[in-house]
Amino acid sequence: GQQVMQIPQYQHVQEGEDFTTYCNSSTTLSNIQWYKQRPGGHPVFLIQLVKSGEVKKQKRLTFQFGEAKKNSSLHITATQTTDVGTYFCGTDSWGKLQFGAGTQVVVTP
Amino acid sequence: GAGVSQSPSNKVTEKGKDVELRCDPISGHTALYWYRQRLGQGLEFLIYFQGNSAPDKSGLPSDRFSAERTGESVSTLTIQRTQQEDSAVYLCASSLSGGGADTQYFGPGTRLTVL
Repeated sequence: GQQVMQIPQYQHVQEGEDFTTYCNSSTTLSNIQWYKQRPGGHPVFLIQLVKSGEVKKQKRLTFQFGEAKKNSSLHITATQTTDVGTYFCGTDSWGKLQFGAGTQVVVTP
Repeated sequence: GAGVSQSPSNKVTEKGKDVELRCDPISGHTALYWYRQRLGQGLEFLIYFQGNSAPDKSGLPSDRFSAERTGESVSTLTIQRTQQEDSAVYLCASSLSGGGADTQYFGPGTRLTVL
């Protein structure tokens, strides 16, 4: 089945800075979903990408699906303390959603 | 509307005891998933129910783990003879129709501590 690798595993960001986290695969993906899990909370759906080269924005968050549909990125601008959490990507793998290991984001005020 | 609910929210048990964790999915959602999340780790898939199909049990770590679902409603995850390595948060998620392109809605989880 499809597997995705998320990099980096940990991301320390100064408040106000931008950063990008990646979700990569060696095979073509049918879709990518992104979820956010706040500390002590549960994963919450953010977005789904299905088209090659697709870009979607949610306020300071920009999600992109690669042209070859083998990778996706999440870019956050002007990071705020509310962005703290773990960001998971997931993709369809044999009819069920397969999650990556996540990127844990820590924001320093 | 009501989201996915799980009970209990916290469970402390002694090694060797059996535990049952409950999940109430969103009404009308045909698919239900169980995940295990150890502290600071990712989401470990356990089992997937989709309508009346046979469940996908490929993620269950041992025969001490089992799960049932009544129709398209409540699911129970049972862990027999609990071990300390079973300590984790157990998350349940439901989706409208299942499949890898369907949005999953997670419950708040049950934090299991095995002493």
